[in-house]
Amino acid sequence: IAGITQAPTSQILAAGRRMTLRCTQDMRHNAMYWYRQDLGLGLRLIHYSNTAGTTGKGEVPDGYSVSRANTDDFPLTLASAVPSQTSVYFCASGAGDTGELFFGEGSRLTVL
Amino acid sequence: GQNIDQPTEMTATEGAIVQINCTYQTSGFNGLFWYQQHAGEAPTFLSYNVLDGLEEKGRFSSFLSRSKGYSYLLLKELQMKDSASYLCAVTDSNYQLIWGAGTKLIIKP
Repeated sequence: IAGITQAPTSQILAAGRRMTLRCTQDMRHNAMYWYRQDLGLGLRLIHYSNTAGTTGKGEVPDGYSVSRANTDDFPLTLASAVPSQTSVYFCASGAGDTGELFFGEGSRLTVL
Repeated sequence: GQNIDQPTEMTATEGAIVQINCTYQTSGFNGLFWYQQHAGEAPTFLSYNVLDGLEEKGRFSSFLSRSKGYSYLLLKELQMKDSASYLCAVTDSNYQLIWGAGTKLIIKP
C-alpha cells in the first residue's frame, strides 16, 4: 500500500536520552517535512527537505536534527530529549511547491 | 508576523450546514489549503484554492477572497463522521506552509 510510514507510533523516554523517529515514503515525493502538533497550536514545522541530499530548518528546529540520504527516508533525531519535546510528531511528503501533503499516522512522544 | 486565524471550536447539528472561517496575514500568497483531522489521526487533504471564488467538491466547498485575506469551508448535510478538526493553511511567498491552530467541529444528533 502506497503511503508514508512512521515509527514508532508511541514512545516514552527519559529526559536526556537520544531518540530517532523514522519516516519512510514510497510515493517518490521530492519534499518531506517534520511537524510537531501541540494542543491549541497549529502544526509547527521542525525541519524540511526539498530533495534528497538537502535539508532546511523550519519554525522550531532547536533540539532536532534530520538527514535525507535518499528520496524515501527522512529520520528525525532528538539528540538529548527534554520534557518540552513531548508532542505528537507528524512526517509528511509532497510532490512540489503547491501540492497537497500526505501525512504519516504520527508518533506520540512523551519525555519524562 | 504571519498569522492564520480560525475559530477554536464550533457546534452544529446533524443534517445542517456549517461555515468555518479562516483569515490570514502572510508574506505573500501561493494558495490556501483545508485539511480534515479526526482525533488521534493524521490530517488529510480536503481542498486547495489559489484563485478567488468557490470550489465545490461534493458536500464540501471552499471559498477564497485574496483581497480580503479570507477563506471559508462550507460543509453541507452534516454527518456525525464530520466531527473533526479542520485546519486552514496558507502557502506564503517562499512556498512555506503556515498553519492555523484548527477548528474543532462538534456534530450533535
